[in-house]
Amino acid sequence: EAGVVQSPRYKIIEKKQPVAFWCNPISGHNTLYWYLQNLGQGPELLIRYENEEAVDDSQLPKDRFSAERLKGVDSTLKIQPAELGDSAVYLCASSLRGGSSDTQYFGPGTRLTVL
Amino acid sequence: QQQVKQSPQSLIVQKGGISIINCAYENTAFDYFPWYQQFPGKGPALLIAIRPDVSEKKEGRFTISFNKSAKQFSLHIMDSQPGDSATYFCAATLGGADGLTFGKGTHLIIQP
Repeated sequence: EAGVVQSPRYKIIEKKQPVAFWCNPISGHNTLYWYLQNLGQGPELLIRYENEEAVDDSQLPKDRFSAERLKGVDSTLKIQPAELGDSAVYLCASSLRGGSSDTQYFGPGTRLTVL
Repeated sequence: QQQVKQSPQSLIVQKGGISIINCAYENTAFDYFPWYQQFPGKGPALLIAIRPDVSEKKEGRFTISFNKSAKQFSLHIMDSQPGDSATYFCAATLGGADGLTFGKGTHLIIQP
């Protein structure tokens, strides 16, 4: 079974430029999460989707960040414009809510560097 | 603010020894406590998890000890091996599928 797929794996941009990250969750998983991981820190939740609905976006900086999960499968996280402080790893995870396990499966992440 | 406090920040253990990492949480409503292992360049991977209705869970060399009254839980790695060298995160959540609140991580090095 394929895991959570993220692309790109690495992205280098200049500040004020836009950037987008893509995530394909594990097949059949109805819950999708985006986390931000700063260097030397634990991941922090940005947004959680149940199918197409964003059920928890309280930690998403909505002035510059946006996300969507069309058709309840793939998801895209966008930053516009990027700032120097946005340099971090952006992790996507998925789980099957209502299943036998509460495990969240993480992708490898996208490492963003803002110059 | 919901927090999970993890210690130590870094840990060096000799091969064959026991590695112990501790976490404390504040929100008594948390009901699912997983430990994740992360290697450089990889995403976190679930190692073992526990719910507050049990005080201990063991899977192979990995054991979680849970103290509900103290709001603390710990990970014990028995017979630690060089391949266990990684960063370990404790986490907590409400309802399992909700977003995880992570500790800051412990960088574990197992010396051969």
